[in-house]
Amino acid sequence: AQKITQTQPGMFVQEKEAVTLDCTYDTSDPSYGLFWYKQPSSGEMIFLIYQGSYDQQNATEGRYSLNFQKARKSANLVISASQLGDSAMYFCAMPRRGFQKLVFGTGTRLLVSP
Amino acid sequence: GAGVSQSPSNKVTEKGKDVELRCDPISGHTALYWYRQSLGQGLEFLIYFQGNSAPDKSGLPSDRFSAERTGGSVSTLTIQRTQQEDSAVYLCASSFTGTGGADTQYFGPGTRLTVL
Repeated sequence: AQKITQTQPGMFVQEKEAVTLDCTYDTSDPSYGLFWYKQPSSGEMIFLIYQGSYDQQNATEGRYSLNFQKARKSANLVISASQLGDSAMYFCAMPRRGFQKLVFGTGTRLLVSP
Repeated sequence: GAGVSQSPSNKVTEKGKDVELRCDPISGHTALYWYRQSLGQGLEFLIYFQGNSAPDKSGLPSDRFSAERTGGSVSTLTIQRTQQEDSAVYLCASSFTGTGGADTQYFGPGTRLTVL
């Protein structure tokens, strides 16, 4: 079964700096995908970025990019030029093999300071 | 609106009462999911609907939980005889095809359920 591990319960970064949020995964599937979601204090889960295991290049979406290292089974989220509004919980997730349900990591709380 | 909507946003109930939570998915999305987020358990899958197929109920924690989806659109999650451990945020999501892979799930704002 798939497993997602996020080892950083909390991260601090100053505004305008870059930050990397770690995510490692465990799967035996030859083809898989990874999602990152942001959950601000309002509670809504906001989709940020997706990486497919066979994608040739690391995914990027505006200030978000994925540092995808397949051999190490890691898919770290990089946020460049942090903003105060980036303060939130961030979750890494993967669809469970053969099912459509997402398996989530425990999340990382990011705090951006002025 | 264009996103997933859920109602109510907050629900406080007494132990033993039944509650109904509603989810309105993004128009055109064929798949709908319910998840539960609680402090002790993180994010847990509850149930999944895809088109006219039989729902995947494998995540429902007990037979007090049920869900239906009418007309392939709106879904209602019902919890009977609520218990204090049912207190959580219930999140609904929808996706275009429900076929996994890159099919992105878009979430609603959630319903915060408190059982006294």
